[in-house]
Amino acid sequence: LAKTTQPISMDSYEGQEVNITCSHNNIATNDYITWYQQFPSQGPRFIIQGYKTKVTNEVASLFIPADRKSSTLSLPRVSLSDTAVYYCLVALYSSASKIIFGSGTRLSIRP
Amino acid sequence: EAGVTQFPSHSVIEKGQTVTLRCDPISGHDNLYWYRRVMGKEIKFLLHFVKESKQDESGMPNNRFLAERTGGTYSTLKVQPAELEDSGVYFCASSLGGVGEKLFFGSGTQLSVL
Repeated sequence: LAKTTQPISMDSYEGQEVNITCSHNNIATNDYITWYQQFPSQGPRFIIQGYKTKVTNEVASLFIPADRKSSTLSLPRVSLSDTAVYYCLVALYSSASKIIFGSGTRLSIRP
Repeated sequence: EAGVTQFPSHSVIEKGQTVTLRCDPISGHDNLYWYRRVMGKEIKFLLHFVKESKQDESGMPNNRFLAERTGGTYSTLKVQPAELEDSGVYFCASSLGGVGEKLFFGSGTQLSVL
């Protein structure tokens, strides 16, 4: 199973760019990298997914180096409402049971 | 578009009782998943439906848990009899595509077994 390692917590301030890095040394050829955001008392919410290089959407950017053993979620100009837990998942397209959420990164944004 | 709906949002029961959790996925989503987080632990996969069929139930902890998805629409997860260690948050998710596709989660059911 491809496990992921992320920092347990991070702090930042409003207006800053936040980068959360995830290690996935055992990523397989068919695995995609997916990030979810979770607020208290809610289910996780999809942020972004990528396979290699860079992916950008209206919420975030995802940077994946050539060896794909890590990935970085970049949140531009964070606000207080970005305070949440962020999960990095390595998604194997063949089996739901092999998608592991891990501990996530608790991001705290201060004024 | 309505999201994934779970009912109830909270349930408090005594050890030995039965509880049934319900999940209504997004209309048209053939794939439905159950996950749970027990106290202090990570979110863990329980099982995956494709329409009414169980595609993968390898995460179900034991035979006290029974999941159904009659007609391929809503799903229920029954715990009978409930034990103290079953306490936690049970999440349901659905997706349009298969495994690895974007998951849409409900807000979860907080189950407390006393």
